Amino acid sequence: AQSVTQLDSQVPVFEEAPVELRCNYSSSVSVYLFWYVQYPNQGLQLLLKYLSGSTLVKGINGFEAEFNKSQTSFHLRKPSVHISDTAEYFCAGDSGGYQKVTFGTGTKLQVIP
Amino acid sequence: DTGVSQDPRHKITKRGQNVTFRCDPISEHNRLYWYRQTLGQGPEFLTYFQNEAQLEKSRLLSDRFSAERPKGSFSTLEIQRTEQGDSAMYLCASSSSGVSGELFFGEGSRLTVL
Repeated sequence: AQSVTQLDSQVPVFEEAPVELRCNYSSSVSVYLFWYVQYPNQGLQLLLKYLSGSTLVKGINGFEAEFNKSQTSFHLRKPSVHISDTAEYFCAGDSGGYQKVTFGTGTKLQVIP
Repeated sequence: DTGVSQDPRHKITKRGQNVTFRCDPISEHNRLYWYRQTLGQGPEFLTYFQNEAQLEKSRLLSDRFSAERPKGSFSTLEIQRTEQGDSAMYLCASSSSGVSGELFFGEGSRLTVL
C-alpha cells in the first residue's frame, strides 16, 4: 500500500526566505505523488503533481517539488515565501488504479512578516 | 461557481442522533470520494464511487456509516447513532477518469457531536 510521511508538523519561516517542506513515500509499485494546499477556511486544492517524466515538477504560486526515487522523497520548495503562502500543505500519493489518494499528516507553514 | 459543494458546512448534534451530509460534485466528474479529517491529521479515505457504483469502503466506515450516489450525480453520507468520536471534518472530492490524483475538494462539512 502507498503511504506518505511528512516529517515536520509546523514550519515557521520569515517572509522572502526560502522554504522546504519534506515528504517521504513508500511504495512497492509505480507511484504518483502530489502536494495539496489548504488555506484557512478553504478546501484542499492541488498545488502540483508528479506522474512521470521530469523529476522536477513546477506548480502554482512559484512552488516546485523534486521526485527522488533513490531517497523516496518528494520535497516541496519555494525560493522566496510570501505571507499569503501561510497554509497547511499535504503530501499525497496514489499507487495507481482508481485514484485512491493517501495523504500525509500535513505541514503548517507559518510565514512571519 | 461550478466547484464541489457540500451541505451543511457545520452540524452540531447530540450523541445518538443521525446526521446526513450532501455533496454535489463537479458535473462532468464521474468519480466521487469521501474523506474524513480530524485535528492534526491528513484526510483519511472513507469511500469511493464511480458513477453510481460504490467500489470501495474503508475499514474506517463502520456499519453506522452509509453512503449513496443514486444517480451518479450528488452523494449523501449518513451517520447513524452518532458518537463523540465521529466529530470531524467530512470532505467530499470528485475527479474525472484517467487523471490520477487530481481531486477537486469541497470545503467540507464539520460535524460536532456533543
